[in-house]
Amino acid sequence: EIVMTQSPATLSVSPGERATLSCRASQSVSSNLVWYQQKPGQAPRFLIYGASTRATGIPARFSGSGSGTEFTLTISSLQSEDFAVYYCQQYNNWPRTFGQGTKLEIK
Amino acid sequence: EVQLVESGGGLVQPGGSLRLSCAASGFTFSSFAMTWVRQAPGKGLEWVSGISSSGDSTYYADSVKGRFTFSRDNSKNTLYLQMNSLRAEDTAVYYCAKNWGGADYWGQGTLVTVSS
Repeated sequence: EIVMTQSPATLSVSPGERATLSCRASQSVSSNLVWYQQKPGQAPRFLIYGASTRATGIPARFSGSGSGTEFTLTISSLQSEDFAVYYCQQYNNWPRTFGQGTKLEIK
Repeated sequence: EVQLVESGGGLVQPGGSLRLSCAASGFTFSSFAMTWVRQAPGKGLEWVSGISSSGDSTYYADSVKGRFTFSRDNSKNTLYLQMNSLRAEDTAVYYCAKNWGGADYWGQGTLVTVSS
């Protein structure tokens, strides 16, 4: 199975600053990658698909990039509601696999 | 409005069985593949299983293969996850989700606890 590795495990950033989260696949997943946001006690929220396409209703401050094995989620100017855990997931191969998550916390 | 509502979770002894359901509404259920994802307490997301729109194709994580069965009834807009030979490590919140690429809608989850 494809192993997805996210870094860092925890990222401390001040509101208004930029956050950059990374996701690496153990083999190419082309652009078949999604990003989710999860807050405590809530279901995940669909953010980005196809590595770079924002889902409906997702603010423009969220952007995704990359292809193959290296991917990035960038949040351009952090708002208070953006502090959460972020997961990447590949959907190129079966079984689907998630990264272990990056916790984005307030600095 | 898309709604996914899971049910059937609870406390079960190791080696026991449980069947989860997920009732879907607000979209053409029979046109979409569906997914189960679980999350152990305090841990990350783990993909469990996917099923095609017709139910003819199913896929499983190695951790549940041979023990879990994913099915659907398109006449009832309902998904089922039959879980047998349950283990302590199956303890988690189980989410159903729409689509098997990027999951665009999720239920609120149902908690399964495997303990004696």
